[in-house]
Amino acid sequence: EAGVVQSPRYKIIEKKQPVAFWCNPISGHNTLYWYLQNLGQGPELLIRYENEEAVDDSQLPKDRFSAERLKGVDSTLKIQPAELGDSAVYLCASSGRGELFFGEGSRLTVL
Amino acid sequence: GENVEQHPSTLSVQEGDSAVIKCTYSDSASNYFPWYKQELGKRPQLIIDIRSNVGEKKDQRIAVTLNKTAKHFSLHITETQPEDSAVYFCAASKYGGSQGNLIFGKGTKLSVKP
Repeated sequence: EAGVVQSPRYKIIEKKQPVAFWCNPISGHNTLYWYLQNLGQGPELLIRYENEEAVDDSQLPKDRFSAERLKGVDSTLKIQPAELGDSAVYLCASSGRGELFFGEGSRLTVL
Repeated sequence: GENVEQHPSTLSVQEGDSAVIKCTYSDSASNYFPWYKQELGKRPQLIIDIRSNVGEKKDQRIAVTLNKTAKHFSLHITETQPEDSAVYFCAASKYGGSQGNLIFGKGTKLSVKP
């Protein structure tokens, strides 16, 4: 069984540029999460989806961040425009009956 | 909302010794407490979890204990091996991981010296 797949694994952009990250969860997992992980810190929740509905986006900086999960499967997280402080690893996770499975993450560097 | 405190932030032990990592949580409604291991540059992976109806759970060299009254839970690793070296995160959520938001601690970097 394939795990949570994320792309790209690495992205380097200049500040003010847009960037998008893609996540394909484990088949059958209805719940999808986007987490932000700064170096040396624990993952911080950005948004949680139940199927295609964003049930908790309270921690998503909506002025520059957006996310979608149109058909309740794949999800995209977008940042526009990126700032220096957005440099971090963006982790996608999915769950079916309790355990969260994480993807390898997308490491963003903003110059 | 929920707040999870984890300590120590770093822990160094000799191979074969035991390691203990402790976490406290603030929301008494939290009922699911997983522990994740993250190796450098890799994804966090679940190593053990416990629900609030259980006080202790063990899986080979790893055990987790939960004290609901004091709102703290701990990870115990016995007979540590160099491959146990990693960052360990505790987390807490309500209703079980698939129905609530997992809130993570800041992590403990464990180093096992051969």
